[in-house]
Amino acid sequence: DGGITQSPKYLFRKEGQNVTLSCEQNLNHDAMYWYRQDPGQGLRLIYYSQIVNDFQKGDIAEGYSVSREKKESFPLTVTSAQKNPTAFYLCASSAQGNQPQHFGDGTRLSIL
Amino acid sequence: GESVGLHLPTLSVQEGDNSIINCAYSNSASDYFIWYKQESGKGPQFIIDIRSNMDKRQGQRVTVLLNKTVKHLSLQIAATQPGDSAVYFCAENRGSTLGRLYFGRGTQLTVWP
Repeated sequence: DGGITQSPKYLFRKEGQNVTLSCEQNLNHDAMYWYRQDPGQGLRLIYYSQIVNDFQKGDIAEGYSVSREKKESFPLTVTSAQKNPTAFYLCASSAQGNQPQHFGDGTRLSIL
Repeated sequence: GESVGLHLPTLSVQEGDNSIINCAYSNSASDYFIWYKQESGKGPQFIIDIRSNMDKRQGQRVTVLLNKTVKHLSLQIAATQPGDSAVYFCAENRGSTLGRLYFGRGTQLTVWP
């Protein structure tokens, strides 16, 4: 089945540690997105990429980094500079332009 | 500031009734809107979208209405079922052609038997 796979489902981070969240899609979509969702809140955009080897900051990019070396993959690194990383992280992809974004089932990140 | 918002954070309906979830937007440049359904612990699921050249669009048991005059969007669910219980988000593009979406806080729909 075509879709978006996020892994791991649950992740724990120690103080001062960087962690990387995986996002893979086989929908042949050009655009990919990372969102953060806090309890009772909507989705806030962290980073997005419209094409391989290019990406743009979203509204809350500080403390995060991404890469887009392959069309299928858009990993997100939560760095130690992100002081409040506990949240539900969602990855999405879409065709170019104004098209529906399709989401993975998220990674829940917690602090040890 | 401009934002996508919702009139009600929670909505409770009886099984079999129709549900209406509302969304207000303030950016007049928005020309693309989407409704998503999110069940607990899962990612948002696409329900239906509408572009600004339309006032109404229908899917299976769902209808989206767009009133550009008052900048209002609604999602109507016919014959609501327990499986419809979830958080519903509207999202707008704020005129962007790059695929960026801006999400509201969401409405929790609870369906009672």
